[in-house]
Amino acid sequence: QKEVEQDPGPLSVPEGAIVSLNCTYSNSAFQYFMWYRQYSRKGPELLMYTYSSGNKEDGRFTAQVDKSSKYISLFIRDSQPSDSATYLCAMSPNRGSTLGRLYFGRGTQLTVWP
Amino acid sequence: DGGITQSPKYLFRKEGQNVTLSCEQNLNHDAMYWYRQDPGQGLRLIYYSQIVNDFQKGDIAEGYSVSREKKESFPLTVTSAQKNPTAFYLCASSIDREGGYTFGSGTRLTVV
Repeated sequence: QKEVEQDPGPLSVPEGAIVSLNCTYSNSAFQYFMWYRQYSRKGPELLMYTYSSGNKEDGRFTAQVDKSSKYISLFIRDSQPSDSATYLCAMSPNRGSTLGRLYFGRGTQLTVWP
Repeated sequence: DGGITQSPKYLFRKEGQNVTLSCEQNLNHDAMYWYRQDPGQGLRLIYYSQIVNDFQKGDIAEGYSVSREKKESFPLTVTSAQKNPTAFYLCASSIDREGGYTFGSGTRLTVV
């Protein structure tokens, strides 16, 4: 079993839809949770960062972490064609001041059609 | 502007040849990482370095080598021992938890 599981999709939705992306994990030591967005043939860019359980909102994006279920989610409201990309979840157990290595999901490919 | 520069963007290699992928950052980050990305497999860690002159193997280090002689630079050599080197290679750096990783734009290596 991989430490981080993520459905690769593909996921295709109409413009304006609410998108839900999810990851599950097995290592209860994970403390820091991130979502990255990767456009085709580009490097990933950090979208959201969350520590421990709870919700975090940034514009149209909401990240949720449920440590009791070992489940994290990213919601995209009012999705736009420009949101079409691959979304990667990532997490780290590191308790120090630095991030250390990240464990990534496989990524979910999202297409938002006009 | 600060960032990570990977070069070249595209690289073609003949079987049996070693090639070196460049990664340079001007972010003053201590930690640097090399990942390999294959379709449908996500990012797999090759090597990482938390400080100059020190580095550790990741999950798929066989057939690869690195050096970290300067804080700004973390080159990756793909040796002839790597049996399936065709992939997209990503370099990243980080300084603290909340900043996450900053990634370069990647190098696509193709063995011909």
